[in-house]
Amino acid sequence: GENVEQHPSTLSVQEGDSAVIKCTYSDSASNYFPWYKQELGKRPQLIIDIRSNVGEKKDQRIAVTLNKTAKHFSLHITETQPEDSAVYFCATFSSNTGKLIFGQGTTLQVKP
Amino acid sequence: EAQVTQNPRYLITVTGKKLTVTCSQNMNHEYMSWYRQDPGLGLRQIYYSMNVEVTDKGDVPEGYKVSRKEKRNFPLILESPSPNQTSLYFCASSFRGWADTQYFGPGTRLTVL
Repeated sequence: GENVEQHPSTLSVQEGDSAVIKCTYSDSASNYFPWYKQELGKRPQLIIDIRSNVGEKKDQRIAVTLNKTAKHFSLHITETQPEDSAVYFCATFSSNTGKLIFGQGTTLQVKP
Repeated sequence: EAQVTQNPRYLITVTGKKLTVTCSQNMNHEYMSWYRQDPGLGLRQIYYSMNVEVTDKGDVPEGYKVSRKEKRNFPLILESPSPNQTSLYFCASSFRGWADTQYFGPGTRLTVL
């Protein structure tokens, strides 16, 4: 069945460095790829998303890239700040199954 | 304020004692769903609803029930809770379905002893 693998499971960076989280998926009918951020004790919130007709999308310090051929997409955070510390979830939506599947999550720690 | 609310936020119960977690949204969304979050497993969908009286199983529906009698409410029912249902539960709603922004509730931390 459909599967989303997210790596790494934990990531620690120094403030100001960049962070990259990668997700791979198996369903070639996947066409929507959101990223959610969950701060400690809070609800997940959408931070950026991309659809399959676009290769890259940026919003200030965050960007998402999509490689449909290789079936992977990545979240890039530049100039990281302590408030970027959170759990990040990728997800894929498949037009074939009609399902939204989440990755396992990445705990990002930004050290001051 | 547009929001999704859940109650209770925290619950400790014992095996076999029926419980209901309520979920309500004020955004007139048709799509609602329930997820459970467990360490290392991400968010897994339990049940979903695409409109009033239309519900279906997600990926981990065993041991759960739902109902959708009104558009704004989508309660999650555990008729006979077991310890393996100890988890963090999130309700979510969206306007255009799963390929759209999911608005999550604040979460319910459930412990079944």
